[in-house]
Amino acid sequence: DAGITQSPRHKVTETGTPVTLRCHQTENHRYMYWYRQDPGHGLRLIHYSYGVKDTDKGEVSDGYSVSRSKTEDFLLTLESATSSQTSVYFCAIRGGVGETQYFGPGTRLLVL
Amino acid sequence: AQSVSQHNHHVILSEAASLELGCNYSYGGTVNLFWYVQYPGQHLQLLLKYFSGDPLVKGIKGFEAEFIKSKFSFNLRKPSVQWSDTAEYFCAVNGNFGNEKLTFGTGTRLTIIP
Repeated sequence: DAGITQSPRHKVTETGTPVTLRCHQTENHRYMYWYRQDPGHGLRLIHYSYGVKDTDKGEVSDGYSVSRSKTEDFLLTLESATSSQTSVYFCAIRGGVGETQYFGPGTRLLVL
Repeated sequence: AQSVSQHNHHVILSEAASLELGCNYSYGGTVNLFWYVQYPGQHLQLLLKYFSGDPLVKGIKGFEAEFIKSKFSFNLRKPSVQWSDTAEYFCAVNGNFGNEKLTFGTGTRLTIIP
């Protein structure tokens, strides 16, 4: 498995609360991604990063922000969580032959 | 914009049956194609990928996929499924000019009956 960890793995929070999810890699890859997975939608890209302090939006970026101050860490922040952000969040890194993306174990977030 | 269609939302098969899951994509240039598998409660794992060369790609666990450029398709096949193949399968595509974004289909849930 690619060296990707996510924390926390499970979180329950209340509407309006800020939440930060962390993705950590040991592979020194340049590209990192945040996706959310919802039934009937597959995986949808929230934000991605192509280097330290270099990030860009994906298709479902509203309500989310990201930061990457070190190569190994990519943080996803929900400034004020809403129930529609209840989801499973996956981090991915891109590298190796053919620029394949490899996924972390996921964070299950429940917003009450 | 690129898109991926997986028309089979839920497939139910008996053990030893043959499997084919459909994947069609829309993209205006040269593509890289992927199949990922997600076992219950787990993260996505790469099954196989196509970048160039032989359009018939072999992956792990006896899976293979064929890239048919004229049909914009990348169907996943396995000649004889096992109960342990029960999972969700996702097709994905990106452009191979350093395109950073991977677009996923909505997934096909495969249930194998013992």
